Amino acid sequence: EADIYQTPRYLVIGTGKKITLECSQTMGHDKMYWYQQDPGMELHLIHYSYGVNSTEKGDLSSESTVSRIRTEHFPLTLESARPSHTSQYLCASSAKDNSPLHFGNGTRLTVT
Amino acid sequence: GENVEQHPSTLSVQEGDSAVIKCTYSDSASNYFPWYKQELGKRPQLIIDIRSNVGEKKDQRIAVTLNKTAKHFSLHITETQPEDSAVYFCAAFIHGTALIFGKGTTLSVSS
Repeated sequence: EADIYQTPRYLVIGTGKKITLECSQTMGHDKMYWYQQDPGMELHLIHYSYGVNSTEKGDLSSESTVSRIRTEHFPLTLESARPSHTSQYLCASSAKDNSPLHFGNGTRLTVT
Repeated sequence: GENVEQHPSTLSVQEGDSAVIKCTYSDSASNYFPWYKQELGKRPQLIIDIRSNVGEKKDQRIAVTLNKTAKHFSLHITETQPEDSAVYFCAAFIHGTALIFGKGTTLSVSS
């Protein structure tokens, strides 16, 4: 079944560690996104991509980077994790502009 | 920057009542407006969307209305049920970027 997959589901790490959150989709979508969300709260756009080799910054992009080498894969990297990064990270994809976003199940990150 | 404002932040209704959530957006070029429902611990799920060439769209108990001149759109849920309890997010596609979300409305339906 076509879907969008995120790993890990939960992650607890220490301050200063470098981490990569994985996101893959089998929906054949060109556009992919990363949002940060505290439970039940607003979704903040971190990064997005129009397609391979395209990456753009959202409002909350500082301290993280993304890459888009393959259509289906859009990993998010935090170079040096801090307690303020504790949150849920949601990956999403869409076929094109002005079309529905499909979300993954999220990665819940805790930085101690 | 461009934004989306959503009201109210919390809404409590009795089962069977109607619920209305309102959003305004700032980018006059926006032309796609989805609504998402997020249950506790789950991913946001699309429940209905509307494009700017349409003023209203309905799907069973859920309807969305759009006023492009005033730059606002609303979600209407009729005959609410306890399983409608969730956080609802409106969103607008901001031209040249991506989908920007409102801050969410926590809807509680009591039986």
